[in-house]
Amino acid sequence: EVQLVESGGGLVQPGGSLRLSCAASGFTFSSYEMNWVRQAPGKGLEWVSYISSSGTTIHYADSVKGRFTISRDNAKNSLYLQMNSLRAEDTAVYYCARSIYSGIVGYWGQGTLVTVSS
Amino acid sequence: DIQMTQSPSSLSASVRDRVTITCRASQGISNSLAWYQQKPGKAPKLLLHAASTLESGAPSRFSGSGSGTDYTLTISSLQPEDSATYYCQQSYGLPWTFGHGTKVEIK
Repeated sequence: EVQLVESGGGLVQPGGSLRLSCAASGFTFSSYEMNWVRQAPGKGLEWVSYISSSGTTIHYADSVKGRFTISRDNAKNSLYLQMNSLRAEDTAVYYCARSIYSGIVGYWGQGTLVTVSS
Repeated sequence: DIQMTQSPSSLSASVRDRVTITCRASQGISNSLAWYQQKPGKAPKLLLHAASTLESGAPSRFSGSGSGTDYTLTISSLQPEDSATYYCQQSYGLPWTFGHGTKVEIK
């Protein structure tokens, strides 16, 4: 069974940093493209970042480019999102998401809430 | 960026009704369109991709159609468990973008 378990969310002040982690199990992690997708409270879904199976290709939404960094450790079956210079508008539930085809998310974690507030 | 416009934003229908949700892309997306269902407090669930391909485990009352810029999700016979918010998403070009969602309520 595919499992994606996020951790690392919490309350952070504007301008602060946070690192999200996603532990993957139940599939060959190194074979799949991964993403982070977020959802602000009461709002819709926003794709945040993509990383290829090998980690060599990475893409970001313009809203986070230059502030967020996606990475993965295939030996540890883990996905990460380093978030710097956080803003109030980054407040959201962040989902770790496995692609089934490029751009299509077939599996989602339960999400981790990031709150940016003073 | 490709903008995805969903309509309606919400609807209320009775059990066994036929329900249709539409999604319009700001440019042609060559059937690179997925539909997700999200229930309150839960992660989204993929229902269809490639505009009309039903995911394994998704009920057959869900179907998708469309081409070019206009796509449709149809629930042929609405069931109580279909109460949720539905999102379309294009995977044609980066950044991948979602519609704003359609909230489906049961009368």
